[in-house]
Amino acid sequence: GAVVSQHPSRVICKSGTSVKIECRSLDFQATTMFWYRQFPKQSLMLMATSNEGSKATYEQGVEKDKFLINHASLTLSTLTVTSAHPEDSSFYICSARSGNEQYFGPGTRLTVT
Amino acid sequence: RKEVEQDPGPFNVPEGATVAFNCTYSNSASQSFFWYRQDCRKEPKLLMSVYSSGNEDGRFTAQLNRASQYISLLIRDSKLSDSATYLCVVNIYSGGGADGLTFGKGTHLIIQP
Repeated sequence: GAVVSQHPSRVICKSGTSVKIECRSLDFQATTMFWYRQFPKQSLMLMATSNEGSKATYEQGVEKDKFLINHASLTLSTLTVTSAHPEDSSFYICSARSGNEQYFGPGTRLTVT
Repeated sequence: RKEVEQDPGPFNVPEGATVAFNCTYSNSASQSFFWYRQDCRKEPKLLMSVYSSGNEDGRFTAQLNRASQYISLLIRDSKLSDSATYLCVVNIYSGGGADGLTFGKGTHLIIQP
């Protein structure tokens, strides 16, 4: 149990375009999901907390107008990177909370050219 | 000061040996503690939670010292498949809300045949 999927697993896009990443909890409902980002050789950094039916809570330094989060159902949260730039290239990972534990999706590797 | 600090390694250990990792955290309000394992270019996977009384899961033993704000992981009889990056993770709850996890940068372990 506690499986989280992400789509796409890998995406390459041009600078200035927008990219949407989906995170789904497959066998449980998650009122709260989290979005993380990991740059090479760095730790995972929490970007935002996604709450079903309400606005996301963003960590300090994360632009909410650039990283749009929608959590429209108990099993789906989406992260849209708007007007992507090369410095947004990173590994984006979502997680969903089940009890006291968090289960991670397989991640989305974004490359902006 | 970083919130969660770990020795990045790498630790090069012969197969069958015992290896120990340590981690310190700065926020005394941290309430939950975990060790995650992350393989190269993959998402983190929960290895074990860490409890105040210490806990063991097969070859893995985790200990927590709240007074010193220190967490450890011991791996006995190491296997080649144990090669990975081990992430020390803490969680701070505030008023029952769901908070994201704070990750250390990880300790890289290489088990050599």
